[in-house]
Amino acid sequence: GENVEQHPSTLSVQEGDSAVIKCTYSDSASNYFPWYKQELGKRPQLIIDIRSNVGEKKDQRIAVTLNKTAKHFSLHITETQPEDSAVYFCAATYEGINDMRFGAGTRLTVKP
Amino acid sequence: DARVTQTPRHKVTEMGQEVTMRCQPILGHNTVFWYRQTMMQGLELLAYFRNRAPLDDSGMPKDRFSAEMPDATLATLKIQPSEPRDSAVYFCASGSRETDTQYFGPGTRLTVL
Repeated sequence: GENVEQHPSTLSVQEGDSAVIKCTYSDSASNYFPWYKQELGKRPQLIIDIRSNVGEKKDQRIAVTLNKTAKHFSLHITETQPEDSAVYFCAATYEGINDMRFGAGTRLTVKP
Repeated sequence: DARVTQTPRHKVTEMGQEVTMRCQPILGHNTVFWYRQTMMQGLELLAYFRNRAPLDDSGMPKDRFSAEMPDATLATLKIQPSEPRDSAVYFCASGSRETDTQYFGPGTRLTVL
């Protein structure tokens, strides 16, 4: 089955700086890669996703890149703000939503 | 804005008691997942259903945990008997092949004393 590794486990940045979270996956057949943000005490919520037929996707201050050859994908947050502080989870799947595997999460802290 | 709902939101119980958690998936979603989240373990998949049939419950301790979908609008996760190590937040999520992603409920925070 799919195995997803996520790094770093914790990340602290200054407000306005960029943050990058990286994930690797094991199954080359994986074709859908969502990112979830979980604020303290809240549910995980989808913030952006990417499919294997594109290499990059951007939505305002967040972007995701995918390198299928190397089997890794990354979340990029620019101009970070304190409200970006949360735990971020990456995930990968190749059978639609049947077999989605999550990374262990990255706790991002944005210091004002 | 359709959302997954879960009840109860918080549950405190004593060791040995039965605990039942409920989930109402988003209308039209035919796949339901149960996850357990602790500080150390991240999101741990316990079981999931498609069209009410269990597809995978390998992540669930079979001796005390059971998951069912009595109908398309209700999924249940039961622990009997509960133990202190079961203390965690239990999330339900739903999805469909059309959406490809999972939508999470607010979670049930379980504390077993």
